[in-house]
Formats: sequence, structure tokens, C-alpha cells
Amino acid sequence: DGGITQSPKYLFRKEGQNVTLSCEQNLNHDAMYWYRQDPGQGLRLIYYSQIVNDFQKGDIAEGYSVSREKKESFPLTVTSAQKNPTAFYLCASSIYGVNTEAFFGQGTRLTVV
Amino acid sequence: GDSVTQMEGPVTLSEEAFLTINCTYTATGYPSLFWYVQYPGEGLQLLLKATKADDKGSNKGFEATYRKETTSFHLEKGSVQVSDSAVYFCALSPSRGSSNTGKLIFGQGTTLQVKP
Repeated sequence: DGGITQSPKYLFRKEGQNVTLSCEQNLNHDAMYWYRQDPGQGLRLIYYSQIVNDFQKGDIAEGYSVSREKKESFPLTVTSAQKNPTAFYLCASSIYGVNTEAFFGQGTRLTVV
Repeated sequence: GDSVTQMEGPVTLSEEAFLTINCTYTATGYPSLFWYVQYPGEGLQLLLKATKADDKGSNKGFEATYRKETTSFHLEKGSVQVSDSAVYFCALSPSRGSSNTGKLIFGQGTTLQVKP
């Protein structure tokens, strides 16, 4: 089955630690995205990548980093510099270009303890 | 710049009631428009889409018409069920020439609660 897989579904992190969220897709999509969702709020774009080895900051990139070494994979690292990392993180992918819809993974819920 | 505005929720309806969730947008050119649905603890699923003016997207009894003249894409369903309880997001994919090309712009989401 084609789709986007995020892992893990739940993640706990101690303050001051970096943590990496995985996102893999087998849809052969060029573009991939990371969004953050806080309770009762919409989606905020963290980073996006339209091609391998290239990515751009979204609206709230501070305290996060990404890599895009393979077309299928777009991991997100939440660093210790992120002041309030507890949130629901969503990865998405799409065909590169205009007027295209995105397909989403099931999300990772990160909690700082 | 490109943006999407949705009606604030939560929206609470009784089963079999008529649903409207308003969505208006600001964008250059001719963006594509989408409605996504999110069930508790899950990711977003594409519900329907429209790629040009006057297009009507439909799926699972939900409909939305791309109205260029009013820059709107309101979601409607004639008879809601308890299982429709979820958060609904309106979104747009900017057209070529926008500074946001390649991104998907989301509204804030509207929570729908349907009571038996």
C-alpha cells in the first residue's frame, strides 16, 4: 500500500534533549512537509522540501532542523532550542508543482517530560 | 499574501441536521481548493477538492463549490451523522506566480460535533 508512515506515534522527551521524528513515503512524491499542530489550533508549517538535498524554512522553523538525503525520507529533529516542543507533528507529501493536494501521515505526538 | 479563513467552531448539530462550514480565501490567480478532515488523534485526510472556478467537489455526501466571485469554498452536507464528528480544514494550493507556490495554506480548522 502506498502512503506516508510516521514513527513513533507517541514520543516522550526530557527537557534539553534532541529528538528525531521519522517520516517515510512510498508515493514517489517530490515534495514533503512538516507541520505542527497545537490543541484547538490549525497547522503551522515548520519546514518543506520540494526536491532531494534542498529544503526551505516555513513559518516556525526556529528550534527545528531537517534533512532530505533521500526522496522517500524527511526526518525532523526537534532540538533543545525549541522552547515549547510539546505538540502533534504531521508530515505530508505531494507531487511537486502548483495546485496539488497533500497526503498526510498519522502524526507523532511529542511530549516533553 | 495567500490565506484561508474558516468560521470558528465548535459547531454542534443534531444527527440529520444540515451542515455548512464557511471558508473564504485570499489568493492571486487561480489556486486549487481543498477540504480535509481530521479524526481524533489522526492525520488529515483529503475529503474533496476543486481546481477551477465553478467546480464542485463532492465525497461521502459532502459538497463544496469553488466560487471565484465571492472567493469562497463552503462545505455542506445535507444530513450529518455522529460519525462525521471531526475537525474540518479548508486549504488552498497557490497557483503559479504566488510567493507561496509549493506550499499548502490551511485555515484554522472547525470542530464539528454531531449529537445523536
